[in-house]
Amino acid sequence: GQQLNQSPQSMFIQEGEDVSMNCTSSSIFNTWLWYKQDPGEGPVLLIALYKAGELTSNGRLTAQFGITRKDSFLNISASIPSDVGIYFCAGQLNNFNKFYFGSGTKLNVKP
Amino acid sequence: DGGITQSPKYLFRKEGQNVTLSCEQNLNHDAMYWYRQDPGQGLRLIYYSQIVNDFQKGDIAEGYSVSREKKESFPLTVTSAQKNPTAFYLCASSARQGGINTGELFFGEGSRLTVL
Repeated sequence: GQQLNQSPQSMFIQEGEDVSMNCTSSSIFNTWLWYKQDPGEGPVLLIALYKAGELTSNGRLTAQFGITRKDSFLNISASIPSDVGIYFCAGQLNNFNKFYFGSGTKLNVKP
Repeated sequence: DGGITQSPKYLFRKEGQNVTLSCEQNLNHDAMYWYRQDPGQGLRLIYYSQIVNDFQKGDIAEGYSVSREKKESFPLTVTSAQKNPTAFYLCASSARQGGINTGELFFGEGSRLTVL
């Protein structure tokens, strides 16, 4: 299957700090998705990106679809304790109907 | 409320037994998916179905089987042939337009299977 390289694997930050994580792929994707997963729960969709260069915000979250269509990043500004969880990127290959996932970024926020 | 319901949330199985995980959605989505999640790894695709009575193998289909007899239901059977079945299983669905998924994948709350 396709490999999505997501980094960093984990982050330990102080409340109020900004966070950035990214995903890269060797393939071109036509959609990038970002999810948050709490322990023992299903992932929840945060942001969906459909066009190269697209920059989309959802509250304190901002994500961008890379110009090359092979990467995407997610920023979280002014982190709070409830941001703790695992963040996943996912991509959909052009003209295919499967979604591929990164291995996740585990975020820890110290109050 | 619209959504995806997985059951059971927790399941224990003895080695050599088949088990079936349920997934029901009332979102009127055509496409449904099963993913497996292991600690420290991303989600891996087991099977997916684009339409009723049709499904395709994903990247790790060995030891699993599915059926899609109704649009809203996509049960997954973990057979005794699956060598390492202990994992967290996630069902998902997405809408389709023009034969292509719209790009938004929605998940159920997951089922944790433990083999004793």
